[in-house]
Amino acid sequence: GENVEQHPSTLSVQEGDSAVIKCTYSDSASNYFPWYKQELGKRPQLIIDIRSNVGEKKDQRIAVTLNKTAKHFSLHITETQPEDSAVYFCAAMTRGGSEKLVFGKGTKLTVNP
Amino acid sequence: ETGVTQTPRHLVMGMTNKKSLKCEQHLGHNAMYWYKQSAKKPLELMFVYNFKEQTENNSVPSRFSPECPNSSHLFLHLHTLQPEDSALYLCASSQSLYSGRDYNEQFFGPGTRLTVL
Repeated sequence: GENVEQHPSTLSVQEGDSAVIKCTYSDSASNYFPWYKQELGKRPQLIIDIRSNVGEKKDQRIAVTLNKTAKHFSLHITETQPEDSAVYFCAAMTRGGSEKLVFGKGTKLTVNP
Repeated sequence: ETGVTQTPRHLVMGMTNKKSLKCEQHLGHNAMYWYKQSAKKPLELMFVYNFKEQTENNSVPSRFSPECPNSSHLFLHLHTLQPEDSALYLCASSQSLYSGRDYNEQFFGPGTRLTVL
């Protein structure tokens, strides 16, 4: 089955700096890669996703890149703000296959003012 | 109330108790999920229902028993749990599975924080 590895487990940056979180997946059939943000005590919420027919997607200060050959995808947050502090989860799914989301272990991002 | 709701938000139970977790979605979705979230572990999928039919049981112990009476409601019945079952239990919903839809975001509920003594 699919296995998703996520690094780093914790990340601390200064406000205004960029943050990068990386994930690798094992199943070459996976074709959908969402990122969820979970603030302390709150539910996970989708912030951005990418499909396997796209190499990069951007939404304001966040972007996701996908390298299908290497089977890895990354989340980039620019101009970080304290409200970006949260746990971020990557996930992989095979649409048209099992359609199960397999999550990484999460990255706790702290943005210091 | 909109979105995905879960009750209770907190639950403390002994190992011999029987309790149930409830999830309700107001999004018109047809797929519902139970996840377990433990400290330092990824979100673990437990069960999936699509149009009230169970499509996934991720090797979950039988002390957890799901029930999906309709596409809007999902229950997780708990009995003779162990302390290691203490965790945050999250419910989620999405459009139906295997529909060929290009967009199938999962929406999560706020979770039930379960403590087993």
